[in-house]
Amino acid sequence: DAGVIQSPRHEVTEMGQEVTLRCKPISGHNSLFWYRQTMMRGLELLIYFNNNVPIDDSGMPEDRFSAKMPNASFSTLKIQPSEPRDSAVYFCASSFEQYYGYTFGSGTRLTVV
Amino acid sequence: GENVEQHPSTLSVQEGDSAVIKCTYSDSASNYFPWYKQELGKRPQLIIDIRSNVGEKKDQRIAVTLNKTAKHFSLHITETQPEDSAVYFCAASGTGTASKLTFGTGTRLQVTL
Repeated sequence: DAGVIQSPRHEVTEMGQEVTLRCKPISGHNSLFWYRQTMMRGLELLIYFNNNVPIDDSGMPEDRFSAKMPNASFSTLKIQPSEPRDSAVYFCASSFEQYYGYTFGSGTRLTVV
Repeated sequence: GENVEQHPSTLSVQEGDSAVIKCTYSDSASNYFPWYKQELGKRPQLIIDIRSNVGEKKDQRIAVTLNKTAKHFSLHITETQPEDSAVYFCAASGTGTASKLTFGTGTRLQVTL
């Protein structure tokens, strides 16, 4: 298994631009999580899905952030418009029920200038 | 919701010594407690986990203990090696579709020669 696949690995964009992060979970996993990691705030859960349905999006910082999971093998996190304070590493993780632990993707390092 | 506190935030030990990281949680319904290791620039990776029906679990040089009465759990690393240097995160969750992991703030472990 290739694990959780995220793209792109690095993204540099100008303030105001739209950014789309992509995630392919491990086949058979039914839960998917989006995290943001910064030095100041650590690992923050933004949103998570179970069986493609959003369960909790209370961590999404603002309306500028949105996430979708159109099918079991793909999810996107979109930021529109992006701001410098959105600069962080964004991780996607998946699990077969969180009871078995999460597998994290390699992350997307986002820099908004 | 669940709240997980982790101590210490940084820990420096000499090679060969033991390291202990402690976490407390608030939700008595939590029953799954994984530990993740994150090396610099890499993804968090699950290294060991424990469920509430077990008080202790060991895997080579690492062990985790759980005290449900006191609502705390600990990671023990014996005979530390330079490659153990990383940030370690504890986490806690209940089970069930709507459950999610709540992470601690991380412990930066430095193993010196």
